[in-house]
Amino acid sequence: SYELTQPPSVSVSPGQTASITCSGDKLGDKYACWYQQKPGQSPVLVIYQDSKRPSGIPERFSGSNSGNTATLTIRGTQAMDEADYYCQAWDSNTVVFGGGTKLTVL
Amino acid sequence: EVQLVESGGGLVQPGGSLRLSCAASGFTFSSYAMSWVRQAPGKGLEWVSGISGSGGSTYYADSVKGRFTISRDNSKNTLYLQMSSLRAEDTAVYYCAKDDSGGLSSWNFDYWGQGTLVTVSS
Repeated sequence: SYELTQPPSVSVSPGQTASITCSGDKLGDKYACWYQQKPGQSPVLVIYQDSKRPSGIPERFSGSNSGNTATLTIRGTQAMDEADYYCQAWDSNTVVFGGGTKLTVL
Repeated sequence: EVQLVESGGGLVQPGGSLRLSCAASGFTFSSYAMSWVRQAPGKGLEWVSGISGSGGSTYYADSVKGRFTISRDNSKNTLYLQMSSLRAEDTAVYYCAKDDSGGLSSWNFDYWGQGTLVTVSS
């Protein structure tokens, strides 16, 4: 079955750029999306179709996908961006989530 | 405003059954694929099952295939998940989630419910 791999944790200083990666076999041939989940809350879609932002998502969130890796980039990271982030793709009639990355802003 | 409200969770014994519901409003329900996604306590997201807008196509994770059944009643704007032969490892918060694309499904989820907790324990 298809697998997506994320680093368990990423740390970033306020105002700096955070990059979270998601790796999977030929992931660049599929669409990747990203969700943000804060403690006690439901996930929120922040990037879809590799690099598109839903309405209401700040411009500091961006995405890319090429080769075997999709990347979520947060420029000018704010304290409110501290959360768990999950990548997701569709493969062989199943939805696959990465294991999640805890972003710490310190 | 799009709203998804899950119900039906609770405590059930191993081997038991439970039916979850998700009442949808604020969009043309029959035009969108829907999914169930679960999250075990302290763990990540796991997709459980999906269904096309018409209900004609259904999809399952290997971990629940043969035990869970997804369905929808487009006249009632309601999504269901019938769960049977439940195991301790099915303990999780179950979310219903709406596909972000009408017509051809993208299997990206732009709206999520608040979740309902299912606990499988004796």
